Amino acid sequence: GAVVSQHPSRVICKSGTSVKIECRSLDFQATTMFWYRQFPKQSLMLMATSNEGSKATYEQGVEKDKFLINHASLTLSTLTVTSAHPEDSSFYICSARGLAGGREQYFGPGTRLTVT
Amino acid sequence: AQSVSQHNHHVILSEAASLELGCNYSYGGTVNLFWYVQYPGQHLQLLLKYFSGDPLVKGIKGFEAEFIKSKFSFNLRKPSVQWSDTAEYFCAVNAEDTGRRALTFGSGTRLQVQP
Repeated sequence: GAVVSQHPSRVICKSGTSVKIECRSLDFQATTMFWYRQFPKQSLMLMATSNEGSKATYEQGVEKDKFLINHASLTLSTLTVTSAHPEDSSFYICSARGLAGGREQYFGPGTRLTVT
Repeated sequence: AQSVSQHNHHVILSEAASLELGCNYSYGGTVNLFWYVQYPGQHLQLLLKYFSGDPLVKGIKGFEAEFIKSKFSFNLRKPSVQWSDTAEYFCAVNAEDTGRRALTFGSGTRLQVQP
């Protein structure tokens, strides 16, 4: 149980285009999902917290107009990188917390974004 | 704000050696503590967690960690490492009583086990 998937696993896009990444909780309902970014050989940095049906809460320094987050249902959150630039190339990881108020987070496998 | 320090950035051990990875956090309230492992090319996997109770917690693959509240520490240990333990290890903290649900991660420790 408690599986989180991400799609796509890898994406290459041209500078100036937008890319959407999906995060799904497959066997549980997630009231809260989190989006992290991981640069090579570095730790995970929280980008934003999204709660189902409400606006995401972004961390300081994260551009909300550039990284659009939608959490439309209890099993799906999306991150759209708008007008991507090479410096947006990174590994994006989502995680989810269950409906029952559990304190554990379940992580997705991540999405490698390369902007050329 | 919470912060997490992992002082060992890169550790090289021989098989069968004992392992201890340090993790210290800065928050005076109630914390939930986690250790995650990331094998090369794979996603984060939970090794173990501490919420409350016995401060010595046992996780998967023979790992354990001890929560020492007075030292704000949650060090990860394994008595005898294997080559397959080569991976990146992340300590993470969540302070529930702040209302912040996200995890704060340490910078990670890269463990390399030599056969």
